[in-house]
Amino acid sequence: AQSVTQLDSHVSVSEGTPVLLRCNYSSSYSPSLFWYVQHPNKGLQLLLKYTSAATLVKGINGFEAEFKKSETSFHLTKPSAHMSDAAEYFCVVRGRDDKIIFGKGTRLHILP
Amino acid sequence: DAGVTQSPTHLIKTRGQHVTLRCSPISGHKSVSWYQQVLGQGPQFIFQYYEKEERGRGNFPDRFSARQFPNYSSELNVNALLLGDSALYLCASSLDRGRSYNEQFFGPGTRLTVL
Repeated sequence: AQSVTQLDSHVSVSEGTPVLLRCNYSSSYSPSLFWYVQHPNKGLQLLLKYTSAATLVKGINGFEAEFKKSETSFHLTKPSAHMSDAAEYFCVVRGRDDKIIFGKGTRLHILP
Repeated sequence: DAGVTQSPTHLIKTRGQHVTLRCSPISGHKSVSWYQQVLGQGPQFIFQYYEKEERGRGNFPDRFSARQFPNYSSELNVNALLLGDSALYLCASSLDRGRSYNEQFFGPGTRLTVL
């Protein structure tokens, strides 16, 4: 069985400071992992994906994530937050059976 | 190139009615998936269709059904609507279903309100 847990429902950071959004997963197989972002009234957009190649994955808009098998984690980071990063972020796991499971989401707030 | 399109954008229905939501995938994409996103939650998988056949089904009652047409567009049907069916319904397309790392491209969604 697969599952994904986003450890924080809300995260607030000041503009220009680092961002850390935490995600833990559970999977019987080596999973594919994704981070999506959802801005208000806009569709889901893929930030980055891990597919068993490099464990450090770089995505769009300066985001990156590191796959840590020993910790079953796939945390999303960004060195310096921008006001435009305020949105809902979803961690997603997809297994060999093609089942796709979304986390409950983390709302990122950027303080001026 | 057009992305995934969905219609209508908003819909208001009453309990007991049925609804049909439509989705057109990105040109060349053969797989369409449907998700339900209740306010404050992550999307939940409803169906996946590939080459006009159902390839996956989430934990939803039989009131939910879908189909995919020869041009790869898709419809999601929900019968006997309940208040709890109020949600944003998302459609996603991808090239195929054979590789778990394939990216899904999402449409803007249809906001369904059941009164």
